[in-house]
Amino acid sequence: DSGVTQTPKHLITATGQRVTLRCSPRSGDLSVYWYQQSLDQGLQFLIQYYNGEERAKGNILERFSAQQFPDLHSELNLSSLELGDSALYFCASSVGRIAVNEQFFGPGTRLTVL
Amino acid sequence: GENVEQHPSTLSVQEGDSAVIKCTYSDSASNYFPWYKQELGKRPQLIIDIRSNVGEKKDQRIAVTLNKTAKHFSLHITETQPEDSAVYFCAASIGGDDMRFGAGTRLTVKP
Repeated sequence: DSGVTQTPKHLITATGQRVTLRCSPRSGDLSVYWYQQSLDQGLQFLIQYYNGEERAKGNILERFSAQQFPDLHSELNLSSLELGDSALYFCASSVGRIAVNEQFFGPGTRLTVL
Repeated sequence: GENVEQHPSTLSVQEGDSAVIKCTYSDSASNYFPWYKQELGKRPQLIIDIRSNVGEKKDQRIAVTLNKTAKHFSLHITETQPEDSAVYFCAASIGGDDMRFGAGTRLTVKP
């Protein structure tokens, strides 16, 4: 157990819908990262937050948005869902930017868009 | 942004043999290079990392080498065991931010 939690574990929805994925980082970690992993694919970096502020943005679609709240948990919002959005979404956390530290991954949320 | 390429995409070795996975990166400012192992259906887990001020790092059967001039780094696994079978990802980032992953290498260790 990495200490990073993600909910829900599984999510099944229809095209055109909107979903919210939730991530709680390890205690004390200030940075949260979101990744998308499609079937048999690599890890695509979506976005990073540090202490409530967006720190870096990767290949995140305009239909997707995220935020990090004052209690440091983060949410990834996916809207106007398409079949191709079906994937495993991982959240990871690290201590922050004081020093380079290991990212700890959550168990992931498997999203299926029908 | 950073671009990380990883080779090979699949690798099959006999138990006890060595396995080598190579990655190249594009941004010379990258200074942190972790390697993650992902078993089927599980989360990625860090197995070793290296910073740009170090050329080589070893942890038991696993070692990583970094060539900053050529902008490439490699993972070496010696005396492979069946439990080493997994997908391995390299990554590169600047100070831990904006981490970009390679496409992954599926390693199979045959008993």
